[in-house]
Amino acid sequence: AQSVTQPDIHITVSEGASLELRCNYSYGATPYLFWYVQSPGQGLQLLLKYFSGDTLVQGIKGFEAEFKRSQSSFNLRKPSVHWSDAAEYFCAVGAPWGTYKYIFGTGTRLKVLA
Amino acid sequence: GAGVSQTPSNKVTEKGKYVELRCDPISGHTALYWYRQSLGQGPEFLIYFQGTGAADDSGLPNDRFFAVRPEGSVSTLKIQRTERGDSAVYLCASSPGTSGTTDTQYFGPGTRLTVL
Repeated sequence: AQSVTQPDIHITVSEGASLELRCNYSYGATPYLFWYVQSPGQGLQLLLKYFSGDTLVQGIKGFEAEFKRSQSSFNLRKPSVHWSDAAEYFCAVGAPWGTYKYIFGTGTRLKVLA
Repeated sequence: GAGVSQTPSNKVTEKGKYVELRCDPISGHTALYWYRQSLGQGPEFLIYFQGTGAADDSGLPNDRFFAVRPEGSVSTLKIQRTERGDSAVYLCASSPGTSGTTDTQYFGPGTRLTVL
């Protein structure tokens, strides 16, 4: 079955520290991969996406993610976290053909300590 | 420009009642999606429209749920005989519909539905 796993429900980091949020997927083929961020009262905002090519992708707000086919992973990273990064982060996969629906993980809630 | 808007932002209803949730997509976007996000979960796909037609409604949980998009713009998600388990945030997204599955989906802020 197709699924996305975000093993960390909550993560707390200090401001200025580095961040890595994990995402693993189970899919019949290499899917399209996405990271979204959801702040309270806000809609989901796309941080970055991977379709093909260079496995290290850059996104907005200083985020990057690396696709590792051998590990079925697409982990999100940021070298220095800002207090405004506190939010919930969702990894999602989409089929490279046919249906356009996304399958989301359960999310990781990030808390940033001042 | 304006993003995806959803009304109402909050809806409280009683078990057994009928509700309608509205989504205004980004102007010109032909693709529209509905997702449901239960507490502590990620969004779960409900239905996808391309233009006026539902291209994929495989995520609708049962026949109490129905969605329309009569003019290919605004969409309404309709829930009949609401149950407490329907309580969730209902998210709408739209995309240009021009690049297939590489289109980016843009999400609205959601409607929080509470069924008492």
